[in-house]
Amino acid sequence: EVQLLESGGGLVQPGGSLRLSCAASGFTFSSYAMSWVRQAPGKGLEWVSGISGSGGSAYYADSVKGRFTISRDNSKNTVYLQMNSLRAEDTALYYCAKHPSYYYDSSTFFDYWGQGTLVTVSS
Amino acid sequence: QSALTQPASVSGSPGQSITISCTATSSDVGGYNYVSWYQQHPGKAPKLMIYDVIQRPSGVSNRFSGSKSGNTASLTISGLQAEDEADYYCSSYRSSGTRVFGGGTKLTVL
Repeated sequence: EVQLLESGGGLVQPGGSLRLSCAASGFTFSSYAMSWVRQAPGKGLEWVSGISGSGGSAYYADSVKGRFTISRDNSKNTVYLQMNSLRAEDTALYYCAKHPSYYYDSSTFFDYWGQGTLVTVSS
Repeated sequence: QSALTQPASVSGSPGQSITISCTATSSDVGGYNYVSWYQQHPGKAPKLMIYDVIQRPSGVSNRFSGSKSGNTASLTISGLQAEDEADYYCSSYRSSGTRVFGGGTKLTVL
């Protein structure tokens, strides 16, 4: 059974940093691309970042480019999201999502989702 | 404003069929044969319902179906049930390699 367990969320002041983790199990982690998707309170889904199975290719939404960095450690079956220079508008529930293939470019959908970790940016 | 436009809400009675549309409003939403749909119940994670416009993952009821005409994809739910009441999101990809979601549609079962 595929399981994705996010952690690392919390309350942080504007301008601060936070690192989210997503621990995966139930599948061969290194064989699949992964993404982070967020949802602000009461709002819709917003794709944040994606990474290929090897970690060699990464993509970012314009809203986070230059501030967030996605990475993965295939030996630990974990994908990370390093978030710097946080803003109030980054407040959201952050979901980790699995893609159905190794190459991010050819991964046209998200087949499994975690339960999310809440990030609140406030002074 | 999202590159994918959905109606804010739709409603239907039990047993009826409803359709949720998803229209690409940006020319960089590429290869619009790769639309996927997600169901999200309150307080829950999204769940994949349809991928690549018409494909249904194993375990998803055959009451859910997808289609496309021009730059508009659609999700149809037939034989509406109370448990179908949820938010529904369409998604596609952009030529830049990024991904995009529609604004979401709240389905109310009357």
